[in-house]
Amino acid sequence: SQKIEQNSEALNIQEGKTATLTCNYTNYSPAYLQWYRQDPGRGPVFLLLIRENEKEKRKERLKVTFDTTLKQSLFHITASQPADSATYLCAQQGDSSYKLIFGSGTRLLVRP
Amino acid sequence: DTAVSQTPKYLVTQMGNDKSIKCEQNLGHDTMYWYKQDSKKFLKIMFSYNNKELIINETVPNRFSPKSPDKAHLNLHINSLELGDSAVYFCASSQDLTGGLFNEQFFGPGTRLTVL
Repeated sequence: SQKIEQNSEALNIQEGKTATLTCNYTNYSPAYLQWYRQDPGRGPVFLLLIRENEKEKRKERLKVTFDTTLKQSLFHITASQPADSATYLCAQQGDSSYKLIFGSGTRLLVRP
Repeated sequence: DTAVSQTPKYLVTQMGNDKSIKCEQNLGHDTMYWYKQDSKKFLKIMFSYNNKELIINETVPNRFSPKSPDKAHLNLHINSLELGDSAVYFCASSQDLTGGLFNEQFFGPGTRLTVL
C-alpha cells in the first residue's frame, strides 16, 4: 500500500533562513503531490500542487520540487517568518486519482 | 462566509452513545469527504461522496454512517461510540472527483470528539 513519510521531528529555524521540509513516498510514483499547511485547532489549507512531469513549482516564497527518481518532494520556504510556524502536510495520490494519502506532517518553528 | 463549516466544534460524550457531526460547503463543489486525524496527526480518509453518491468507503466500521442529503451537505453519524473513536474529524470538499490532480481539497475547521 502507499506510504508517505515526513520527518516527525520539528524543524526549528531562525527568521530569515530558508526552511526545507522533506516528503518521501514508497511504492509507485504518484501522478501528483500536494502540500498543505495546518495551524493548531484548524483544518489543513492547500498550498501547492506539483505533477509528476513538473520538476519544480513556485508560489511567492514557497517552492516545491518533485524527484521521481528519489521518490521525494522538497518544500522550501524562503525568507521564513514567525508567521510561517505551522505543521506542513504532504499528500500524494492514492490508489484512485481522487483519493489523497497524507503524511503525518512536519512542524516548523520559526524563531524571531 | 465560511467555505466549509462543521458543527459542533467540540463533542464530549460517553461510550456507547450515538452522535452526529454536520458538514456544509458553500463552494458549489460536487465532492465531499470525511477524514479522521488521530493523536499522531495522521489524516486518514474515511468516506467520499460525489453528488450524493458514495464513492470511497475506507474500511470504516459500520458504526460510522455518512449521509448526504444534497451535494452541499455531508453528515457523519456514529453509533455506539468507543474510546478509540476519540479524534478530530474533518470534513472537506473538492470541485469534482478529480480533486487532487486538478484541484485542491478545502477543509472545515474540524470537530474534536472525546469519548469518555
